[in-house]
Amino acid sequence: AQSVTQLDSHVSVSEGTPVLLRCNYSSSYSPSLFWYVQHPNKGLQLLLKYTSAATLVKGINGFEAEFKKSETSFHLTKPSAHMSDAAEYFCVVRDSGTYKYIFGTGTRLKVLA
Amino acid sequence: DSGVTQTPKHLITATGQRVTLRCSPRSGDLSVYWYQQSLDQGLQFLIQYYNGEERAKGNILERFSAQQFPDLHSELNLSSLELGDSALYFCASSLRATRVQETQYFGPGTRLLVL
Repeated sequence: AQSVTQLDSHVSVSEGTPVLLRCNYSSSYSPSLFWYVQHPNKGLQLLLKYTSAATLVKGINGFEAEFKKSETSFHLTKPSAHMSDAAEYFCVVRDSGTYKYIFGTGTRLKVLA
Repeated sequence: DSGVTQTPKHLITATGQRVTLRCSPRSGDLSVYWYQQSLDQGLQFLIQYYNGEERAKGNILERFSAQQFPDLHSELNLSSLELGDSALYFCASSLRATRVQETQYFGPGTRLLVL
């Protein structure tokens, strides 16, 4: 069975410093992995996705993620945090059989001024 | 704006009641997914429809049902509501359901409060 584990439920960074949100996955197959962001009282917005074309994936708003098969990780990074990045971030793996999304438990990112 | 619309935005009802949540997918998308987001369970897949037919089922209670209509909009029916059904219900859509790397686009959600 496929799954994702988000290693931190809360992360706090200062504005202008790097962001690292960690995600490990479990999959028997080559997985399809996604990062979504949810701002307060808003829906889910796709940040980026990995589909085996390239291990370093660039997304919107300066975010990127690197797929590391040897470490079964798909960590999300951003060089410099902005106040508007404060939100909840979800790592997602897509089930290869049913195509449903399997969500991680989320990481709440706080950006300090 | 993802192009997926959900109505209503908010719904307050009482235990034992029945409600219907509506979702219109992005133009051209054939597949609709329903998810429930609650504090204790996180985000969970409920059910998927593809071109009018049920494709996959997740953690959907027997009190809940859904359907997708010929115009591809979908409705999620929740009956005999309990306090624990209070949650944010998301609809998502994608073009097809046959490619594992396909992106799902999410609506803004319907917040259900059962009193």
